[in-house]
Amino acid sequence: QVTLRESGPALVKPTQTLTLTCTFSGFSLSTSGMCVSWIRQPPGKALEWLALIDWDDDKYYSTSLKTRLTISKDTSKNQVVLTMTNMDPVDTATYYCARQGGDGYEFDYWGQGTLVTVSS
Amino acid sequence: SSELTQDPAVSVALGQTVRITCQGDSLRSYYASWYQQKPGQAPVLVIYGKNNRPSGIPDRFSGSSSGNTASLTITGAQAEDEADYYCNSRDSSGNHPFGGGTKLTVL
Repeated sequence: QVTLRESGPALVKPTQTLTLTCTFSGFSLSTSGMCVSWIRQPPGKALEWLALIDWDDDKYYSTSLKTRLTISKDTSKNQVVLTMTNMDPVDTATYYCARQGGDGYEFDYWGQGTLVTVSS
Repeated sequence: SSELTQDPAVSVALGQTVRITCQGDSLRSYYASWYQQKPGQAPVLVIYGKNNRPSGIPDRFSGSSSGNTASLTITGAQAEDEADYYCNSRDSSGNHPFGGGTKLTVL
């Protein structure tokens, strides 16, 4: 049974750095073809893909946010960590992690999401 | 360009067929995947690849693609299909952008 769970602060101040952790079970990120992405959704708005890390430790970032994002993994702990620097109120959103386990990179399993509010 | 474009809103009469489309240059090279999202819930994968449904997704959901356009078709829409639908695809740079979403209303 595949599960993913996001964790991190619910509230951050402007200019601070956000660190989110995705803890997963039911698969290994060392298995060939496996990837985990971070996706966010501001209240009432569309989904936005942020970053991906694959089994081979290759990393990909949203072009518009790449200067602020870092994604990493700890295979032994079954965790993927996303950091986002210089947080702004427009970054207020629900942040999801999702597994991509197929050839087509579809997001086949999602966490329930964690709401992060940026406010002073 | 890695942008994916969707109509913001579509409506369908109960039991009728509706097509939700997604346009983007990347779709000429890569398949789209489709996600259903109901209020307060995480998205759920409904279609991926050429026309594949994950286990548990009703067969009234189907997908197709032609040129730069991918389509999600619901044949015999049910009240429970009312939701937001998002397409996604990868591009040649390794980005995985989502479309802007389509709000489906079942009348």
